Amino acid sequence: AQSVTQLDSHVSVSEGTPVLLRCNYSSSYSPSLFWYVQHPNKGLQLLLKYTSAATLVKGINGFEAEFKKSETSFHLTKPSAHMSDAAEYFCVVSDAGGTSYGKLTFGQGTILTVHP
Amino acid sequence: GAGVSQSPSNKVTEKGKDVELRCDPISGHTALYWYRQSLGQGLEFLIYFQGNSAPDKSGLPSDRFSAERTGGSVSTLTIQRTQQEDSAVYLCASIGTGGRGYTFGSGTRLTVV
Repeated sequence: AQSVTQLDSHVSVSEGTPVLLRCNYSSSYSPSLFWYVQHPNKGLQLLLKYTSAATLVKGINGFEAEFKKSETSFHLTKPSAHMSDAAEYFCVVSDAGGTSYGKLTFGQGTILTVHP
Repeated sequence: GAGVSQSPSNKVTEKGKDVELRCDPISGHTALYWYRQSLGQGLEFLIYFQGNSAPDKSGLPSDRFSAERTGGSVSTLTIQRTQQEDSAVYLCASIGTGGRGYTFGSGTRLTVV
């Protein structure tokens, strides 16, 4: 069985300050982990993914995440928030590693608000 | 097409009616998933199609829900005798080769009144 916990339902930051969205997972397998972003009235967009290669993963729009097996965490960070980053973010775990994709389990989502 | 296309984008239906939701995946993508996102909830897996294999229906919440995928391409999710708790955004995703992850459609927002 696998599960994902996003520790914060809402995060609010000021433009130009760092962003930290926390995610912890559990998986019986070597997991694949993803972060997706959903802007209002838009489809989900892949930010980045971890599939047992480098533990520090760089994604689009300046986001990155670090896979820490000892902490079962995959927190999403960005050094400097932009107004356009305001959206809902989902941490996702898959029970299949490598390039084969299994069933996804989604976290509950974190709404990021960016203040001017 | 360039992305995953879902239709309709919005659907309002009366309780007890049947609805069909359509998903056009990216051409050549062999795997197709249906998820739903209820208000205040995370995404919930519904069903998974992979090539010609039997679909994984383990996420369908009741026998009122069914899905098919014709010709390995377009998929239709059917909800019979809709209930208010079926109100949600239904998302379709497809995946191809190359390790690029899933591509999601923009979803169908279903409201049962």
